[in-house]
Amino acid sequence: AQSVTQLDSQVPVFEEAPVELRCNYSSSVSVYLFWYVQYPNQGLQLLLKYLSGSTLVESINGFEAEFNKSQTSFHLRKPSVHISDTAEYFCAVSLIQGAQKLVFGQGTRLTINP
Amino acid sequence: GAVVSQHPSWVICKSGTSVKIECRSLDFQATTMFWYRQFPKQSLMLMATSNEGSKATYEQGVEKDKFLINHASLTLSTLTVTSAHPEDSSFYICSATGTYEQYFGPGTRLTVT
Repeated sequence: AQSVTQLDSQVPVFEEAPVELRCNYSSSVSVYLFWYVQYPNQGLQLLLKYLSGSTLVESINGFEAEFNKSQTSFHLRKPSVHISDTAEYFCAVSLIQGAQKLVFGQGTRLTINP
Repeated sequence: GAVVSQHPSWVICKSGTSVKIECRSLDFQATTMFWYRQFPKQSLMLMATSNEGSKATYEQGVEKDKFLINHASLTLSTLTVTSAHPEDSSFYICSATGTYEQYFGPGTRLTVT
């Protein structure tokens, strides 16, 4: 079975500061990796995903995540955050084969302070 | 991009009544849809996998007779909460599968009084 651990439940940072949201996973088989963002009272939006190829993946709004197989991690980073980045962030994995069922981490609440 | 809608976005019902939530893939066909439940400040919990034309697969601990799922077409799955009780109050989110990823609906807030 797969599991996902997000090490920080809350991360407060100041605007324009860098941020890293940590995600570690456990799986005996290869997986796809995802970061989703959820704004209050809304569904989830895909931020970025790792399927194969380059281990560094980027989103259009400045976030990036790096897949590290040896450390089974997929940490999310942004060099300079904005107030609008305040949201809940979920790391998730799915099996490469099968019904693409997602296993989510517990979520990290990112709060940007002015 | 792929769009998934849910209806209604919020609903208030009385204890003992049933509520139906619709999940639609608007611009693509989805043979598989998922239903999640999310409690405040918590992660998403997978309730069931909905497969078009066949019975849903429920996760352990989810009552199939209470949460009825129907996936009658490639663009529509419905979740009916039967004989709802206050403890069923939650945020229900559906998703539809694309080639590699899931596309999520905006969620439905259910409040049972």
